[in-house]
Amino acid sequence: AQRVTQPEKLLSVFKGAPVELKCNYSYSGSPELFWYVQYSRQRLQLLLRHISRESIKGFTADLNKGETSFHLKKPFAQEEDSAMYYCALKSSGGYNKLIFGAGTRLAVHP
Amino acid sequence: KAGVTQTPRYLIKTRGQQVTLSCSPISGHRSVSWYQQTPGQGLQFLFEYFSETQRNKGNFPGRFSGRQFSNSRSEMNVSTLELGDSALYLCASTKAGGLPGELFFGEGSRLTVL
Repeated sequence: AQRVTQPEKLLSVFKGAPVELKCNYSYSGSPELFWYVQYSRQRLQLLLRHISRESIKGFTADLNKGETSFHLKKPFAQEEDSAMYYCALKSSGGYNKLIFGAGTRLAVHP
Repeated sequence: KAGVTQTPRYLIKTRGQQVTLSCSPISGHRSVSWYQQTPGQGLQFLFEYFSETQRNKGNFPGRFSGRQFSNSRSEMNVSTLELGDSALYLCASTKAGGLPGELFFGEGSRLTVL
């Protein structure tokens, strides 16, 4: 079965602390993984894709096929990073069908 | 560019009724996907339309249906509403030739079934 697991509902850190939002997946083959973010009163939007190997707003995510993980990391959290973060897997059904994790709320305190 | 527009934003229905939700994609986007978001099940894929054809469908009963028009606008319909259909329904559009998995979401239509 294709599945995305985000084990933490809430991650609370202080400003300047490192952040790691966990994401594990279940998929046969080469997965395509994404992180989406929803800031307060804003729309859900794409943060980054594993295939791009990019850093967006200081966030990076590395695909670890051995551990079937795609954790989102940032070395120094900022208050504006507070948001809901969703890990998503492109379904083998193709096109734009994404399987989302339950999401993790990141709260960055001053 | 205007973002994905969904109407209505909020609506209340009673069990047994039906509802139609509308989605206007970003100009030039031809693919429209629908997702249901609930506290218990999270974000779940309903279906995707491209060039007026459904090309992908999630695991929802036949009461959930959709269509896409020639201008890429899409509607979804839920018939014989049940209490469990209460949810935020999100529409997302994707541009042809765009980055895979880059969905542009609307603000959603929040449906409450009483």
